[in-house]
Amino acid sequence: ETGVTQTPRHLVMGMTNKKSLKCEQHLGHNAMYWYKQSAKKPLELMFVYNFKEQTENNSVPSRFSPECPNSSHLFLHLHTLQPEDSALYLCASSQAVRRGGPETQYFGPGTRLLVL
Amino acid sequence: DQQVKQNSPSLSVQEGRISILNCDYTNSMFDYFLWYKKYPAEGPTFLISISSIKDKNEDGRFTVFLNKSAKHLSLHIVPSQPGDSAVYFCAASARTGTASKLTFGTGTRLQVTL
Repeated sequence: ETGVTQTPRHLVMGMTNKKSLKCEQHLGHNAMYWYKQSAKKPLELMFVYNFKEQTENNSVPSRFSPECPNSSHLFLHLHTLQPEDSALYLCASSQAVRRGGPETQYFGPGTRLLVL
Repeated sequence: DQQVKQNSPSLSVQEGRISILNCDYTNSMFDYFLWYKKYPAEGPTFLISISSIKDKNEDGRFTVFLNKSAKHLSLHIVPSQPGDSAVYFCAASARTGTASKLTFGTGTRLQVTL
């Protein structure tokens, strides 16, 4: 596998279910991100993990719970979601640099989530 | 309040002609700007970037222009090819600690016709 992979690619869940999204990056990067893309809206940053530590939580409801066990894996645990949480969830990774410079983020294919 | 705006949701261009995609931003703290391309059922893929200290960056058929005083950037694709048909996202980067934070526009769907 190369690049950034995400599983599952599609997920349908009820509001009382608990599920997890998985992301794995094979690029040797040290920063990972979760984004949400809803219809006709820009990508919204949800969480940032830098060297396995969460450095950003963009006011995301607690029904979304991220986990980063190591620099290659990132999970998004979902519980008691609402229909308005239906969206495309994208994972990305980058090589964080300590001094300036561009940090290109590389994206996975996304998980399309439908909450019924 | 959207800090990165792509005011044209769609654009149609003939093959061989130039495609110009526009992006405006409001935050003067952004230090890098990036363009991503997205095909259906795939994640965005990085295309080209530009530092805020430059006004032009070129990579093959793709050129990005930055006008800092106008807080405006544009992506030029010439000549346009049918395979360029995709959604193009403009993104702006601001550093938060040791990781970058990207703010995206809503995207412009480019259709290159034969």
